[in-house]
Amino acid sequence: ETGVTQSPTHLIKTRGQQVTLRCSSQSGHNTVSWYQQALGQGPQFIFQYYREEENGRGNFPPRFSGLQFPNYSSELNVNALELDDSALYLCASSLAFSRWRNTEAFFGQGTRLTVV
Amino acid sequence: GIQVEQSPPDLILQEGANSTLRCNFSDSVNNLQWFHQNPWGQLINLFYIPSGTKQNGRLSATTVATERYSLLYISSSQTTDSGVYFCAVGTSGTYKYIFGTGTRLKVLA
Repeated sequence: ETGVTQSPTHLIKTRGQQVTLRCSSQSGHNTVSWYQQALGQGPQFIFQYYREEENGRGNFPPRFSGLQFPNYSSELNVNALELDDSALYLCASSLAFSRWRNTEAFFGQGTRLTVV
Repeated sequence: GIQVEQSPPDLILQEGANSTLRCNFSDSVNNLQWFHQNPWGQLINLFYIPSGTKQNGRLSATTVATERYSLLYISSSQTTDSGVYFCAVGTSGTYKYIFGTGTRLKVLA
């Protein structure tokens, strides 16, 4: 059984650029969630995908967007990068039995994004 | 929305000591997890414990959902236990986890 993997592990981008982060969910899982963790803070929910559809969104602007693919892997895209987007981005996968009932989440190692 | 507070915010222990970390939440939950975040940022699952008591080696956890708190016990602490401990809760009808404020633990050799 493979765990949750994210790529890349580190990334440096310039303000105004666009970035794509990737996540492979754990085998057998159908739900992927993305979180942003600023330095010294707890992770904050960005959005979740359940069976390829967005299943909820946190308080993040539309320039944060995502996709989930038929194999349940996922991408997080951020357009027009700002300095405050510098953070650790965490992906979590889980097996949900419905859109509104989630279960134990397993996290990847994260992508550390620095915007300069 | 639901508020999740953890205490203490910081904890320094000598190797071999025991500790109790607390997570209080302001509303009913149907999911609760405890995580250990290592210095590289990885969130490691410790317990999935919406209610009841579980034990795994030197660690154990108890969630009293009716009183809206959960406790994580670490016995005979080791330097490798250092890091930040988070509790995260999910409420009925929602799909996200809300993370607590974290407890930063440092275990000295």
